[in-house]
Amino acid sequence: DAGVTQSPTHLIKTRGQQVTLRCSPISGHKSVSWYQQVLGQGPQFIFQYYEKEERGRGNFPDRFSARQFPNYSSELNVNALLLGDSALYLCASSVGRGKGGANVLTFGAGSRLTVL
Amino acid sequence: DQQVKQNSPSLSVQEGRISILNCDYTNSMFDYFLWYKKYPAEGPTFLISISSIKDKNEDGRFTVFLNKSAKHLSLHIVPSQPGDSAVYFCAASGWETSGSRLTFGEGTQLTVNP
Repeated sequence: DAGVTQSPTHLIKTRGQQVTLRCSPISGHKSVSWYQQVLGQGPQFIFQYYEKEERGRGNFPDRFSARQFPNYSSELNVNALLLGDSALYLCASSVGRGKGGANVLTFGAGSRLTVL
Repeated sequence: DQQVKQNSPSLSVQEGRISILNCDYTNSMFDYFLWYKKYPAEGPTFLISISSIKDKNEDGRFTVFLNKSAKHLSLHIVPSQPGDSAVYFCAASGWETSGSRLTFGEGTQLTVNP
C-alpha cells in the first residue's frame, strides 16, 4: 500500500516567489493536514481539510492557503515567500477527524523548502 | 508560548537498557497524547498514544505514562535497541479540536549505543 506521498521533495525559491506543494493521502483517508517543521523544532499545525472543507487553521498568515480536491489530494500554497518560510512541510492523512485508532495521523516524508 | 515541552534535546543509552523520554504540557484542555518517532529524511511515524482517562498504555517494548496532576508524560522503551535511535516527538490534542490538530514538542534525539 502506498503511504502519504508528497511532491516535490526538495525545492529552492527566492524571496517574494510563490510555491505550491502537493500531497496524496493514503487511499481511503478523507482528512489531510499540513504541518511546518522548522529546523530544531517540532512540527507546527497549519491546516486541516476534511471532506474538501477547511476544518482547522493554525497561527499562520494569509499568505498560506490550501485546498483539497474531490480525490482527497491536497495542495498547500505559500505566497510572497520570506526567508523564515524555509522549512520541512509535512502532510499527514487520517481516515476521519476523531482521535485514536484509525484516525492517528500518517505523515509523508515532507517537502523541503529553501527560500534564498 | 510552548504548550508542549521536551526539555531534553538529546539522550544517550546503552543497548538493552531502559530509555526514558519526558514531556511536559501546560494546556489543561489537552485530552489525548501521542508519541511519534522520526528518522532522517522520513516523516514522523506514530508510536503509541494515551487518552487522558488513562494513566498508562503499553505496546510491546513501549510504555507511555501520564500524570495529569503534574501535566507530565513519559515514554519508556525497554529494552532499548540501536534501531530505536531517532528523534522522538511528544504531541497533544485538545478536547475541542480534531485529532488532526496536534501540538508538538521540540523533540528529543535518542541515541542507543551498541
